[in-house]
Amino acid sequence: NAGVTQTPKFQVLKTGQSMTLQCAQDMNHNSMYWYRQDPGMGLRLIYYSASEGTTDKGEVPNGYNVSRLNKREFSLRLESAAPSQTSVYFCASSESPLYDRANYGYTFGSGTRLTVV
Amino acid sequence: RKEVEQDPGPFNVPEGATVAFNCTYSNSASQSFFWYRQDCRKEPKLLMSVYSSGNEDGRFTAQLNRASQYISLLIRDSKLSDSATYLCVVKVSRNQGGKLIFGQGTELSVKP
Repeated sequence: NAGVTQTPKFQVLKTGQSMTLQCAQDMNHNSMYWYRQDPGMGLRLIYYSASEGTTDKGEVPNGYNVSRLNKREFSLRLESAAPSQTSVYFCASSESPLYDRANYGYTFGSGTRLTVV
Repeated sequence: RKEVEQDPGPFNVPEGATVAFNCTYSNSASQSFFWYRQDCRKEPKLLMSVYSSGNEDGRFTAQLNRASQYISLLIRDSKLSDSATYLCVVKVSRNQGGKLIFGQGTELSVKP
């Protein structure tokens, strides 16, 4: 019963390096999300994909790109990492968040702890 | 102003105490409401949805006041295992993307 799987769990990058965070869900959910969590800031939405084939910017998209590879997978790419991108990154998925009044919550992956030095 | 604001923490309470968390949201078009729990260095997990009529799940009671744009969570007879950060979450309407917006969280520490 995997749910949402994120890789890697930990990563240290040097400033300017690039990397891709991987996320996969096995619940046949339509929508997937990338959040970052910083102390005192709560979770902030980076990008989301309401359905396969679509992606949209969230609250803090600068410095990131995403790819919805198929219904299962949604990756987050940092093209040129900066120290300000040191954070914990969470991927999440949801069944039908676009339906009004639908009380569907999100299922989160266990997170990726990224440090940029 | 943040879209979802919560009581600043931390709350330090003895076992058996009743504790209440408050939350306000600014987007009047918000459609759905939740409380999530997040343990230290772990992912958030859905604790309960919040309905206008109020709802209860064991020791946990959630209330929603749409007119005041206010959400609350009451924990009765608190246990050591309730220690965590509690996140107030709202879902915006479909035409705003149906996204979940998180409050910054309120930390609860239950002591013996």
